[in-house]
Amino acid sequence: SQTIHQWPATLVQPVGSPLSLECTVEGTSNPNLYWYRQAAGRGLQLLFYSVGIGQISSEVPQNLSASRPQDRQFILSSKKLLLSDSGFYLCAWSKGMNTEAFFGQGTRLTVV
Amino acid sequence: LAKTTQPISMDSYEGQEVNITCSHNNIATNDYITWYQQFPSQGPRFIIQGYKTKVTNEVASLFIPADRKSSTLSLPRVSLSDTAVYYCLVGDIKAAGNKLTFGGGTRVLVKP
Repeated sequence: SQTIHQWPATLVQPVGSPLSLECTVEGTSNPNLYWYRQAAGRGLQLLFYSVGIGQISSEVPQNLSASRPQDRQFILSSKKLLLSDSGFYLCAWSKGMNTEAFFGQGTRLTVV
Repeated sequence: LAKTTQPISMDSYEGQEVNITCSHNNIATNDYITWYQQFPSQGPRFIIQGYKTKVTNEVASLFIPADRKSSTLSLPRVSLSDTAVYYCLVGDIKAAGNKLTFGGGTRVLVKP
């Protein structure tokens, strides 16, 4: 069966520090991969999505970036965090079948 | 993905049936209708998907009229643990370039 792993679960980082969140999927090949951010009490904001290795589409450029070095690995990064980067970050995967997707457990990032 | 409209919030009581209607006037012929459930501090979870008429599983029922311009998610005999945000998605990920976006969802609060 397919599983998605996302870590860490929680993270507290100072303003200006770098960020690296990692997501891996097991049990499937060539998945579509997604990064979302959710502010407290708000909806899901699509940040990046990828349909294959090295193929990244950006929805919210700002100071975040994403990379897909391997088929089932998706990384969200920042060189310098801002206070506004605080939020709940979610990774997801789909196989492009209708609108069915599977989410990781999320990373709660607090920038202080 | 097709534009969808659903209520921002709904209140209910334990043991009642909750019905959430989603409007999707621009649904395309090949589009499926998918509902997700999101608990606080967790990623959304796929709960049901349908194309027409009625679909039922252990969690919910999905009613889709003949014109498919709306759909209703029905949660039977809700409990406090059904308090969550429910998202309606309509479309074909492949047709949307594999871009998967969520609307604001419906916040359901189940009271004792």
